[in-house]
Amino acid sequence: RKEVEQDPGPFNVPEGATVAFNCTYSNSASQSFFWYRQDCRKEPKLLMSVYSSGNEDGRFTAQLNRASQYISLLIRDSKLSDSATYLCVVNQLLYSSASKIIFGSGTRLSIRP
Amino acid sequence: DARVTQTPRHKVTEMGQEVTMRCQPILGHNTVFWYRQTMMQGLELLAYFRNRAPLDDSGMPKDRFSAEMPDATLATLKIQPSEPRDSAVYFCASGPDGGYNEQFFGPGTRLTVL
Repeated sequence: RKEVEQDPGPFNVPEGATVAFNCTYSNSASQSFFWYRQDCRKEPKLLMSVYSSGNEDGRFTAQLNRASQYISLLIRDSKLSDSATYLCVVNQLLYSSASKIIFGSGTRLSIRP
Repeated sequence: DARVTQTPRHKVTEMGQEVTMRCQPILGHNTVFWYRQTMMQGLELLAYFRNRAPLDDSGMPKDRFSAEMPDATLATLKIQPSEPRDSAVYFCASGPDGGYNEQFFGPGTRLTVL
């Protein structure tokens, strides 16, 4: 079993729709969590951090469920420009000076007009 | 607008040749990462450095890959000898606080080994 798993998709939704996807992680010692966005043939860029209490940034909401060991990303009122691959990232603090950083394989999202 | 830079952006080489990829992290960032991305494996962490010291290179094939930071403004990833299975996009990223939070990625080096 992979340490970080995502549904690869693709999720194909109409413009204006709400879409959500999850990312599960296997190590309960994981400390910090992020969502990155990667456009085709580009580098990943941070979309948002995921805080324990959940957090929102405009149309995007991220949540963490430690008990079930998953994080989620909700996109409301989706735009054509939201089409991308969304990568979840899990950091495990190994010891005082090192982290184990694991990227999920990504969920492809395609927004259609 | 501070950015991570990588050179070369594209590299085509023949099997057995040495390949060196370079990365200039954002000034002031103390942590540098090397990743490899392929369609099959996704984004894999190869190695990372904090304050120029290697912290974790467990994801890197040791027999042919090596990563160094000769100084705070330069990180290198070398493959010798290269093999077709090394064909991938290699990303460098840097972060300001030990790699525990946001990472800023460079544009990547697209490597093709024939």
